[in-house]
Amino acid sequence: DTAVSQTPKYLVTQMGNDKSIKCEQNLGHDTMYWYKQDSKKFLKIMFSYNNKELIINETVPNRFSPKSPDKAHLNLHINSLELGDSAVYFCASSRRGQSTIYFGEGSWLTVV
Amino acid sequence: ILNVEQSPQSLHVQEGDSTNFTCSFPSSNFYALHWYRWETAKSPEALFVMTLNGDEKKKGRISATLNTKEGYSYLYIKGSQPEDSATYLCACPIIKAAGNKLTFGGGTRVLVKP
Repeated sequence: DTAVSQTPKYLVTQMGNDKSIKCEQNLGHDTMYWYKQDSKKFLKIMFSYNNKELIINETVPNRFSPKSPDKAHLNLHINSLELGDSAVYFCASSRRGQSTIYFGEGSWLTVV
Repeated sequence: ILNVEQSPQSLHVQEGDSTNFTCSFPSSNFYALHWYRWETAKSPEALFVMTLNGDEKKKGRISATLNTKEGYSYLYIKGSQPEDSATYLCACPIIKAAGNKLTFGGGTRVLVKP
């Protein structure tokens, strides 16, 4: 069974479009994250939610808006996509008080 | 800002050989050190979490050591096999009041040649 699942896995879209990536975890964790693999292949945190509440918001353009309908889901909506948004986006989750986080398989976003 | 660095960026290993590589991190305000194994197109997989100076962890042919005083950790692969080919990431958490932010190194990409 997939612990952290995100969809779609691959997404090719045109500049200016709005797109969403969905994420769900079945681990019973109360904290969820979005990480981005940047151009230098580093994994950088974007957002963290704990029980549907935003607790970490790194310097990310406000075209990126996370939404957590419940603690098992954290979706990432991106408005007005730009070429530089092309990257791999990883959803992750963890149990409160524990530093180990569990990742999804990543969503490859290509903006053309 | 927490700087986590890994070296080398990549290495090639002959099947059957052993290898090791380094993760360095700030020794002040240390909380924990994580190692992850990441195969392309798959989820990064947690290998170890280490907290105490002198910690050693082992999982099959892979082991890790931790020196919190000097700020480094080594990951060892004994008798490398092609299936060990992956990127190995280390990370340190910054624990906020209700949040947990892992800062990752750039990874060491290991390619095991048959």
